[in-house]
Amino acid sequence: DVKVTQSSRYLVKRTGEKVFLECVQDMDHENMFWYRQDPGLGLRLIYFSYDVKMKEKGDIPEGYSVSREKKERFSLILESASTNQTSMYLCASSSLGLAGTQFFGPGTRLTVL
Amino acid sequence: RKEVEQDPGPFNVPEGATVAFNCTYSNSASQSFFWYRQDCRKEPKLLMSVYSSGNEDGRFTAQLNRASQYISLLIRDSKLSDSATYLCVVNERNQFYFGTGTSLTVIP
Repeated sequence: DVKVTQSSRYLVKRTGEKVFLECVQDMDHENMFWYRQDPGLGLRLIYFSYDVKMKEKGDIPEGYSVSREKKERFSLILESASTNQTSMYLCASSSLGLAGTQFFGPGTRLTVL
Repeated sequence: RKEVEQDPGPFNVPEGATVAFNCTYSNSASQSFFWYRQDCRKEPKLLMSVYSSGNEDGRFTAQLNRASQYISLLIRDSKLSDSATYLCVVNERNQFYFGTGTSLTVIP
């Protein structure tokens, strides 16, 4: 059974804290993605990676960074958390190619106080 | 302009009804197309891929019209368990673009 796991389901942090969200996939997928999902706005792409040590900015990268040191792991970092980063964060992975569908992790609901 | 647009609904239909959702996309170079389902407070999960020839999976039928740049999903004989948000997804060069989703509630 294919799996994408995320390090936390719920997280509460304070403004200014550095926050790490971890994502691991066991499908040997090349591509990995970080999204945030907010009511009325849908899923918005923060960053994606198509290979180890490679990263590309998505639509809303400001205030975030990422790290991909190993193929199976993709980390999202909030350098200095702010209240407007309170959201649901979803990690996904996909294989290369036109037919590559995305598989999502269960999500991390982050609250920044 | 958004890459992918959907009517957010909500659609409230009785059990057994047939319901259709449409979605339009802006980039004619888009390469592959999908419908995902998302239950409340859960992650999106692939429902089905969408092909130009149309494809069917049980009570679900998906169609793609490249000329008009729209994608449709038809659900026949709706069940209570079909209640969810349905996301239209378009793939362009390994990037995925999501619609904001259409909410469906099937009523007993």
